[in-house]
Amino acid sequence: GAGVSQTPSNKVTEKGKYVELRCDPISGHTALYWYRQSLGQGPEFLIYFQGTGAADDSGLPNDRFFAVRPEGSVSTLKIQRTERGDSAVYLCASSLAERTEAFFGQGTRLTVV
Amino acid sequence: GDSVTQMEGPVTLSEEAFLTINCTYTATGYPSLFWYVQYPGEGLQLLLKATKADDKGSNKGFEATYRKETTSFHLEKGSVQVSDSAVYFCALASGNTPLVFGKGTRLSVIA
Repeated sequence: GAGVSQTPSNKVTEKGKYVELRCDPISGHTALYWYRQSLGQGPEFLIYFQGTGAADDSGLPNDRFFAVRPEGSVSTLKIQRTERGDSAVYLCASSLAERTEAFFGQGTRLTVV
Repeated sequence: GDSVTQMEGPVTLSEEAFLTINCTYTATGYPSLFWYVQYPGEGLQLLLKATKADDKGSNKGFEATYRKETTSFHLEKGSVQVSDSAVYFCALASGNTPLVFGKGTRLSVIA
């Protein structure tokens, strides 16, 4: 069966541009998570969806970051006016329900130049 | 807030050596505890978990015991292999809080 799929796997963008990162969770998983991982660090929580709604967005660093999950499946993380400090690997994970095993995608490596 | 502290790496061991990677946590309530592993070029994978005090999680020869009295969840393996070379992350989930990760410990096993 398919795991969590993230596209693109790599994205290079210029400072100030807008980017969208996509996550396809495992079919039937209601919980979806976005994390950001910088070099040498552990994954840092950004936002968590239960179904279509954002149950917890306390990890989003500022209002340039936004995420949606309109039909309770695919999610898109959107970053406006990108900055060099946004460069990181963005990880998506899904689980059947909260606090059950989370399955991670391979991540999208974002580089802002 | 909730947090996880794990020993800094890198850790370099010879094949068949004993492995311990220390992990301690701070949490309100009663968290579930996890070890995730990231092999080179791959995504994060759950290695093992424990959901209550004194539980022992085990998988692929790795073990960790949930110690509430010392707020610890140390990862151990009796005899490591070259294929165990990876980055290991300790994590917790408490209440409605999504997974909180430690910074990771890189393990290199040499033949």
